[in-house]
Amino acid sequence: DSGVTQTPKHLITATGQRVTLRCSPRSGDLSVYWYQQSLDQGLQFLIQYYNGEERAKGNILERFSAQQFPDLHSELNLSSLELGDSALYFCASSVGASGSHQETQYFGPGTRLLVL
Amino acid sequence: DAKTTQPTSMDCAEGRAANLPCNHSTISGNEYVYWYRQIHSQGPQYIIHGLKNNETNEMASLIITEDRKSSTLILPHATLRDTAVYYCIVRGLMSGNKLVFGAGTILRVKS
Repeated sequence: DSGVTQTPKHLITATGQRVTLRCSPRSGDLSVYWYQQSLDQGLQFLIQYYNGEERAKGNILERFSAQQFPDLHSELNLSSLELGDSALYFCASSVGASGSHQETQYFGPGTRLLVL
Repeated sequence: DAKTTQPTSMDCAEGRAANLPCNHSTISGNEYVYWYRQIHSQGPQYIIHGLKNNETNEMASLIITEDRKSSTLILPHATLRDTAVYYCIVRGLMSGNKLVFGAGTILRVKS
């Protein structure tokens, strides 16, 4: 158990819909990262938040957005869903801001999204 | 950041040591080698990381060659529960905020 929690575990929805994925970081961690894992793309970094502010952006679609709240939990919002958005979505957390290459990221169990 | 090359798959007998190689011939002096594993669609699990020296923790040992161009992750007594995809990741200043996952090595531990 990494200490990172994610809800829900599974989500089934239809194309065109909007969903929200939730992540709670490990106690004391200020940074939250979102990753997507699809069959054809592998694990890809989407976005990082540190203490409520966006810190780094990866291959995140404009239809996707995220935020981190004062209690440090984070939400990933996916809208206008397409079949290709079906994937595993993982949240990770680390202690600091820089995401330094010396800083370990710990992953949650993920949310499996299926778009029909 | 340096690219990594790992074998696509490996088999290991239960109870034996599993030695997973990783080639990172273009690694630079300030880049770390990280290992994660992913068991059947679960969240990636941190195993170990190192810069120059060999490292050991309760899960594994990491052996980095003197020229740092390759490394080996050693699971000393593999069990069936160690069957997973193992990712070798080189992290430096360029990647700082993100982990860049390759295809990894599928390790199958067999009884």
